[in-house]
Amino acid sequence: EAQVTQNPRYLITVTGKKLTVTCSQNMNHEYMSWYRQDPGLGLRQIYYSMNVEVTDKGDVPEGYKVSRKEKRNFPLILESPSPNQTSLYFCASASQGDQPQHFGDGTRLSIL
Amino acid sequence: GESVGLHLPTLSVQEGDNSIINCAYSNSASDYFIWYKQESGKGPQFIIDIRSNMDKRQGQRVTVLLNKTVKHLSLQIAATQPGDSAVYFCAESPWEYGNKLVFGAGTILRVKS
Repeated sequence: EAQVTQNPRYLITVTGKKLTVTCSQNMNHEYMSWYRQDPGLGLRQIYYSMNVEVTDKGDVPEGYKVSRKEKRNFPLILESPSPNQTSLYFCASASQGDQPQHFGDGTRLSIL
Repeated sequence: GESVGLHLPTLSVQEGDNSIINCAYSNSASDYFIWYKQESGKGPQFIIDIRSNMDKRQGQRVTVLLNKTVKHLSLQIAATQPGDSAVYFCAESPWEYGNKLVFGAGTILRVKS
């Protein structure tokens, strides 16, 4: 089944403790992206990647890092999480830059 | 379920009626538009897309209309069903920004049986 898989689905952690949210897609898609969704603010793009070893900032990249060492994986890294990064996070992928993005089911992060 | 928005506009329709969800986009340079459906606890699900060289595109029970003059997008759902209840988002993408999607705030669709 074609899908975008995020792990973990839920995480409660403390300020400053590094964490990584993994994202994997099995569709051989070139494009991958991370979004955060907050009440009243909708979905906002954090980082995206057009292909392996190519990453770019989205609208809200501060406090986040990403890497794209292989096509299927696009992990989101919070080196020193803070409470304002408490949010619902979505990973998405698309076959190319101008095709519809397919989303994972989300990761709920709570930073205390 | 998880809340995806506060004070989103809500459209309530009777089962079997047609639904029209509207969206105003902001960037006149946008040339690709998508509608997504988000159910509680799930990620956005692609419904239909349209490019700026078209005014209308039809899918199964759904139609998207694009009016570039007034920067307006609409999603029409025919014979609305209870399973259509969800939050609907429009998204715009100026290709020059490399498939960057800018999402609207969303509209809640409630289908009454």
